[in-house]
This record gives sequence, structure tokens and C-alpha cells, in this order.
Amino acid sequence: DQQVKQNSPSLSVQEGRISILNCDYTNSMFDYFLWYKKYPAEGPTFLISISSIKDKNEDGRFTVFLNKSAKHLSLHIVPSQPGDSAVYFCAASVSHSGGSNYKLTFGKGTLLTVNP
Amino acid sequence: DTGVSQDPRHKITKRGQNVTFRCDPISEHNRLYWYRQTLGQGPEFLTYFQNEAQLEKSRLLSDRFSAERPKGSFSTLEIQRTEQGDSAMYLCASSGSGSYGYTFGSGTRLTVV
Repeated sequence: DQQVKQNSPSLSVQEGRISILNCDYTNSMFDYFLWYKKYPAEGPTFLISISSIKDKNEDGRFTVFLNKSAKHLSLHIVPSQPGDSAVYFCAASVSHSGGSNYKLTFGKGTLLTVNP
Repeated sequence: DTGVSQDPRHKITKRGQNVTFRCDPISEHNRLYWYRQTLGQGPEFLTYFQNEAQLEKSRLLSDRFSAERPKGSFSTLEIQRTEQGDSAMYLCASSGSGSYGYTFGSGTRLTVV
């Protein structure tokens, strides 16, 4: 039972263009969402997050959008750079009192390739 | 601080042998997590410590698996009587209270032959 789904195993874009990575979830209890980036032979690296009380969060070239009614979130990278080529994981959590989540449920990941 | 360290990076073992992995978290982080990642999948939660207390274990963590975090510092994950299905990347991560997003280590890749 995949509670967090990334339906595109791979995505290829040209340098300078926008990359849009999508993620859907089924568990309505999830209220905090994160994106991680993973290079080969390294652990995942935290990229950006969003709370369910927001619908958008921006950090430099990275923006995450959350559509709670559709149980959908997306990560936009503008402009895309060759160094962005990596596997991107969407993750979700149920936060607890005190505001700190702990257990993350990950999607299977999307391999982004940014071509020069 | 050099981040989260995991040792060894790679481990090849024969089926039936016991293996132990070590994780050194970021020193000021009180939460420590173990995840397992198999090919083509995202990381799957195994267990979680707050300081030295193990607060949750996934049903993925069978009786052959045990994790400890003595004194709330480093952690070990032991797998007894390894099976081929245990072959995976074992990831350790840590975070501080109230912080979102973990810092992951580079993982230990286990191959059971």
C-alpha cells in the first residue's frame, strides 16, 4: 500500500527550463511534506518542506506547491541546472504535538536529468 | 561537525551470518532514525530513538533485527541470521527536536550471498 506515490520514474529537461516533479498521497492524516534529493552513493539530502497550513513555499530556485483537496504536491525547479540531476524523493509525515515530526513515508523517487 | 557517519559503507556477508552496523549522528541531535532502501524504492522506516529510548519500531523490523542507542549517542543495528532478502541500503539519519527534515548518512550497503 503506497501512501506516497511518485508516478514518474524519470524526467528529462533542458538546462534553463523548468523542472516539475509531482507527488500524490493517499493518507489524509499527513500534514507535513518534504522533498529530498539523492545523488548516487550518498544519502538523501533535505531540500525543501511545506506544512499543510500553507499552499506554497519557496527557497531560491525551488518552490513546492501543495493542493490538499487533490492530495497532490509538486516541486518546481527554475531554472534547472545540470547539477540538479539526481533522484528526488517526496516524503510525508504526521506531525505530533510540539511541532516535530519523526517518521517519514517516502515515495519511490523520480530521476531528474538536466541536459546541458 | 562532519554530519552523520555510518560504518561500514559496504558489507558482504554469507547467508546465516550476523552483521552489525554503526551510526554516529550529529552530536547535538537527540533523534536518530534507521531506514532501509531497496532497489527502485524509497527509504522505508525501521525504527526511531529519542535520546536512548527506542520509541517506535516498524513491522519490517523482524525478531532478527535489533537496534540500540546506548547513552543517546551512537547507534548500532544488528541483523542476526541474515537472509538474502536483507540485502539493501541501510540509512541512518538524525534530527534535533523541533526541526523538520533529517540529515542522512551515506548508508551501509549490505549484500547477503
